[in-house]
Order: sequence, then structure tokens, then C-alpha cells
Amino acid sequence: GAVVSQHPSWVICKSGTSVKIECRSLDFQATTMFWYRQFPKQSLMLMATSNEGSKATYEQGVEKDKFLINHASLTLSTLTVTSAHPEDSSFYICSAQIARESETQYFGPGTRLLVL
Amino acid sequence: ILNVEQSPQSLHVQEGDSTNFTCSFPSSNFYALHWYRWETAKSPEALFVMTLNGDEKKKGRISATLNTKEGYSYLYIKGSQPEDSATYLCARGYSTLTFGKGTMLLVSP
Repeated sequence: GAVVSQHPSWVICKSGTSVKIECRSLDFQATTMFWYRQFPKQSLMLMATSNEGSKATYEQGVEKDKFLINHASLTLSTLTVTSAHPEDSSFYICSAQIARESETQYFGPGTRLLVL
Repeated sequence: ILNVEQSPQSLHVQEGDSTNFTCSFPSSNFYALHWYRWETAKSPEALFVMTLNGDEKKKGRISATLNTKEGYSYLYIKGSQPEDSATYLCARGYSTLTFGKGTMLLVSP
């Protein structure tokens, strides 16, 4: 149980294009989903928190107009990297929380983004 | 301590060895401490969530302890097996998690 999928697992795109990453909770409804980013040899860094049907809350230093998050249902959240640039190349990973009472976050396998 | 720190950065042990790693974190405004196991190309797997000072949790050969007053947690693996090879992450927080960089464990047959 508590499986989270992420698609695509990797993507290569040209600079200036937009890339959409999907995060799905397969066997549970997620009240809250989270998006993290990890640069080489660094820790996972929280980018934003999203609740179904409401606007995402972004962490300091994360541009909300560049990283668009849509949490349209209790099982799907999407992250769109708009006008991607080489410095956006990173590992993006999502997680989902089953209920507000549960501290555990269940992670997807991540998406490797390379912007040329 | 301002951030979540994990040590050692990496560890190489032989099958059958017991091992342990450390997670240090700010002790103020503590809510919960999480341990995850992350195998390459897979999703991080939740191992433990601990909230109370003195908490001890066990899952098979893996156990963890928590000291919230001094801000550290230990993860122990008894009788390491090659399948235990992974990166072990700790994180502090409730919804907003602050992660350490992880300890990469390699267990050789």
C-alpha cells in the first residue's frame, strides 16, 4: 500500500521549453502533496506544498511563476517547469501524505530533468 | 546545530557486520524525526517516524532511537545484508521536512 508514481522518470528538453511532471498516489487519497528538488551531493529540498483544490505554498527562494503546481484531485499533482533553463536541471521528487494526522510522507521515484 | 546533519557520509561493511549511523538536528521546536531508506532508482521507503524523547523503534534487523533534548537519532542495522545497501535519510519536521544529505551504506557479500 501507499504507492506513489511519478512520470516521466527522466526528461531531456531544450532551453526555453516547459516540462510537466506528474505525481500520482495509486492506492490512497492524498490530502497534501509535496515537491522536492535535489542537486548533486545535496539534500532533498522542499520546493512547495500543495493541498487539493487550493494554491500551493512555495518555500522561500522558489519562484511560483516558474514552477507551476496544480493539485486538481486527491490523487494527482503536477509540477510544470516553465521556460526551463540549464540551471533547472535537477532531480525532482514528489511525496504524498495520506491524512493530516499522519506524519509519514510517501515518495515517488523521482524525475531526472536535464535542460540543454 | 542549524541543519540536519548525517554521519558518516558513506559506509562500507561486510555482510554480517552490525552498523549504525547518526542524525543530528536542531532540538528546538521539535515535532518528529523520520528515517527513510532509499535504494537507487526506487522511491524512498519510510522506515520510522519518531516523536517522543527516548523513542525506540524496530523493524526487523533495523532499529532507531531518538534523543530530542540533545538533538540526535541513531539508526542501527544488525547483521547487515547486501540488500541493506542503500542511502539512509533522516528528516526533521511534520509536513515541512528538512532532510540530511544521507548516509550511503554498501554491504559486501
